[in-house]
Amino acid sequence: GAVVSQHPSRVICKSGTSVKIECRSLDFQATTMFWYRQFPKQSLMLMATSNEGSKATYEQGVEKDKFLINHASLTLSTLTVTSAHPEDSSFYICSAPGGSGPSDEQYFGPGTRLTVT
Amino acid sequence: AQSVTQPDIHITVSEGASLELRCNYSYGATPYLFWYVQSPGQGLQLLLKYFSGDTLVQGIKGFEAEFKRSQSSFNLRKPSVHWSDAAEYFCAVGANGKLIFGQGTTLQVKP
Repeated sequence: GAVVSQHPSRVICKSGTSVKIECRSLDFQATTMFWYRQFPKQSLMLMATSNEGSKATYEQGVEKDKFLINHASLTLSTLTVTSAHPEDSSFYICSAPGGSGPSDEQYFGPGTRLTVT
Repeated sequence: AQSVTQPDIHITVSEGASLELRCNYSYGATPYLFWYVQSPGQGLQLLLKYFSGDTLVQGIKGFEAEFKRSQSSFNLRKPSVHWSDAAEYFCAVGANGKLIFGQGTTLQVKP
């Protein structure tokens, strides 16, 4: 099956710094990718839709200036957490669709654990 | 409002016993429904999905789920659980990649 990778898998940063997380589709192209956030013992919450060649669309309540998304190519989307604070500590997961249909399978990355100290 | 509820946060079953994980949803349109499994250090893996047709769907690893529109439910079942099934299970509803997930159910398997 299709593979989505994320890098890094784990990152610790100081408060006030920025952190970039990469999401790559390894063996397929994705014009759209999705970023989710998962709090401990809780569900995944959709943050934004990353669109190749255009601006990302953010879900209600997600700060676009805090969470910068860039879809630089058909296989790479990046999420930058700017001026990170401890409350941004979370598990960030990306996904990419295996096709263009509404029920097509989403392939998920293994996630990135961000800890802000 | 669109939502997914998994009433059971944690379930423990003995190896070889049957399993049912509950999922209820609220969705305005015809729902696309999914079950995912999340193991530590690995991405979510799709177990099965429903979008039309036969309401009993078969998935990987011996799992099945039944869509019941009248009950707004999409419960996941497995007749005989294996120790390797211990993981976090998520029910989700949505389309075009935008998924709404339930809170998840942690499955523990006793030897």
